[in-house]
Amino acid sequence: NAGVTQTPKFQVLKTGQSMTLQCAQDMNHEYMSWYRQDPGMGLRLIHYSVGAGITDQGEVPNGYNVSRSTTEDFPLRLLSAAPSQTSVYFCASSVPGLSTDTQYFGPGTRLTVL
Amino acid sequence: SQQGEEDPQALSIQEGENATMNCSYKTSINNLQWYRQNSGRGLVHLILIRSNEREKHSGRLRVTLDTSKKSSSLLITASRAADTASYFCATDAGQGGATNKLIFGTGTLLAVQP
Repeated sequence: NAGVTQTPKFQVLKTGQSMTLQCAQDMNHEYMSWYRQDPGMGLRLIHYSVGAGITDQGEVPNGYNVSRSTTEDFPLRLLSAAPSQTSVYFCASSVPGLSTDTQYFGPGTRLTVL
Repeated sequence: SQQGEEDPQALSIQEGENATMNCSYKTSINNLQWYRQNSGRGLVHLILIRSNEREKHSGRLRVTLDTSKKSSSLLITASRAADTASYFCATDAGQGGATNKLIFGTGTLLAVQP
C-alpha cells in the first residue's frame, strides 16, 4: 500500500491564483481530512469527509473547498489564494470505529502564496 | 482556538535520559492521541488513550490521562537521538464515539543530544 499520497510537494502561487491540492489513499478509509500547519503551531482542521459524497467544515474552512466523489480521493481547492494561506497542508485518512482510531497522514504540501 | 496546550514548548536532554511532555485540553474528550513529527515530514501516530483509560504503554512510551484535570503526559524512557522530533497531542471531542476530527496542541520540540 502507498498509504496517503499528496501532490504536489511544493507549490508557489501568486495572490488571487487558484489551485487544487491532491490527496489520495489506497487503504479504503472512509474518513479523510485536511489540516494546515503554520510555523511553530499544531495542525488545524480545514475540512473533513466521512465518506464519498459527504463533507463538512472544520476549524478553519474559509477560502477552501472540498469534494469527495470517490473513497480514494479528497482534493482541496484554493479558490483565490491569499498570503495568509501560506502553510504546510496535510491530508489524513482513518477508519472510524477501529480500536486504534489512528489517523494516517500524508507527507504534506508546502504552499507559498506571494 | 486550539484545544491542547503543551508544556514545555521545547525540551533538550541527553541520550539515555527520560523525556516528559504534558498536554492540557479544554473540553470533554472521547480519546487523546500523541503524534510525532520529524522536521519537514508528516505526522506519525504514536499512541491513543481513551477517556476511560488512565495509563497506557507502548514500548518506551508511557501515556497517562487525568480527565478530572483535563491533562495528559507522554513519557519517553531511555531516549535516543532518533527521538528528536516535535511531539503533538491531539484530542477527539466526539461524545457519541470517536469522530476523528482532531484538535491539535501546539507541540513540544524534543532534542536528544548524543
